[in-house]
Amino acid sequence: AQSVTQLDSQVPVFEEAPVELRCNYSSSVSVYLFWYVQYPNQGLQLLLKYLSGSTLVESINGFEAEFNKSQTSFHLRKPSVHISDTAEYFCAVSASGGYQKVTFGTGTKLQVIP
Amino acid sequence: DTGVSQNPRHKITKRGQNVTFRCDPISEHNRLYWYRQTLGQGPEFLTYFQNEAQLEKSRLLSDRFSAERPKGSFSTLEIQRTEQGDSAMYLCASSSRIGKGGTDTQYFGPGTRLTVL
Repeated sequence: AQSVTQLDSQVPVFEEAPVELRCNYSSSVSVYLFWYVQYPNQGLQLLLKYLSGSTLVESINGFEAEFNKSQTSFHLRKPSVHISDTAEYFCAVSASGGYQKVTFGTGTKLQVIP
Repeated sequence: DTGVSQNPRHKITKRGQNVTFRCDPISEHNRLYWYRQTLGQGPEFLTYFQNEAQLEKSRLLSDRFSAERPKGSFSTLEIQRTEQGDSAMYLCASSSRIGKGGTDTQYFGPGTRLTVL
């Protein structure tokens, strides 16, 4: 079984400042890793994913995450946040290969302060 | 394709009533999932379909819950004799593995928010 720990429940940050949202996972097998974003009263949207290959993955809106196998981490970063990035971010993990149940963390609320 | 859709978006019901939610997945996706999300928590897996076959059910899915996907397209989730503890957001997701070694990335609908009074 896999598990995910998101260390921060809320992260306030000023607009245009950098941000890091932390995610650690636990698994005895190879994994896929995901970050989803949830805006108020909406469903989850896939932000980025790590499947294999390059350990640094990027999204189209400036977020990036780096898979660190030795640290079992998949932290999400953005060098300069915008007000529109205010949302809740969920880290998720599944075992790799075919269908596997996805396990989500408890989420981190990112609040961007003008 | 417009993505995964769910209806209704909101449902308020009295304790003891039955409710049914519908999910329409992305048309070419053969895998469909139901999750429950309570306030302050991440989504929790409830059940999974591949085509019309229900292949996995979480222990969270009590006997009062039943899910179907009769023709391998849309799915319904029914809760019988609702309880206040059933109040949550119910999320549907779909996916399709494309090619050998392809990923099974899940795409989510907007959810149905259930409030049991």
